[in-house]
Amino acid sequence: GQNIDQPTEMTATEGAIVQINCTYQTSGFNGLFWYQQHAGEAPTFLSYNVLDGLEEKGRFSSFLSRSKGYSYLLLKELQMKDSASYLCAVKDSNYQLIWGAGTKLIIKP
Amino acid sequence: GAVVSQHPSRVICKSGTSVKIECRSLDFQATTMFWYRQFPKKSLMLMATSNEGSKATYEQGVEKDKFLINHASLTLSTLTVTSAHPEDSSFYICSARVGGQVTEAFFGQGTRLTVV
Repeated sequence: GQNIDQPTEMTATEGAIVQINCTYQTSGFNGLFWYQQHAGEAPTFLSYNVLDGLEEKGRFSSFLSRSKGYSYLLLKELQMKDSASYLCAVKDSNYQLIWGAGTKLIIKP
Repeated sequence: GAVVSQHPSRVICKSGTSVKIECRSLDFQATTMFWYRQFPKKSLMLMATSNEGSKATYEQGVEKDKFLINHASLTLSTLTVTSAHPEDSSFYICSARVGGQVTEAFFGQGTRLTVV
């Protein structure tokens, strides 16, 4: 079966750095996505990785290792507004998105 | 950037009635739109893929006669929940893929459906 694993919940302090991990087992791989979802709202796109390595975009970076079936989202200089759920999703061989359940990130002052 | 507008954002309906949810791409043509359902603290579940001018492709376990999808134009897809029941209460989200791009980056605002 296809599976995306990510921690259910994480807590971090304002101004700090947090890394949210995602491991996946899917039938084929055509890219990995990270989305941010605030409560009661739809997801918003953060990043897309299809090749191994680190993609940096401002305070957010995303890393991918295809051989390990592993990705992480790194958030720096955390702000209170970063409190949200972070969803990892993988596009499989049929180009269908397989979604993780999301990691709820709680930022404390 | 591309904008997807979903309407209504919230709806409360009586059991047995039907509810229509609209998903519009405002500044681009979306040949493919996706309909998701999300339960509290759960992952997004793809319900169906909507292709303009053809029948929607439903995921296994999704009743196509209950969740009617119409994609009549390149900018509009609709999801109708027919004969709604309380167990249909959920958060429904549409997304659109811009032609030629690999990212499914554009989501509607979501619709919170409550069936009483």
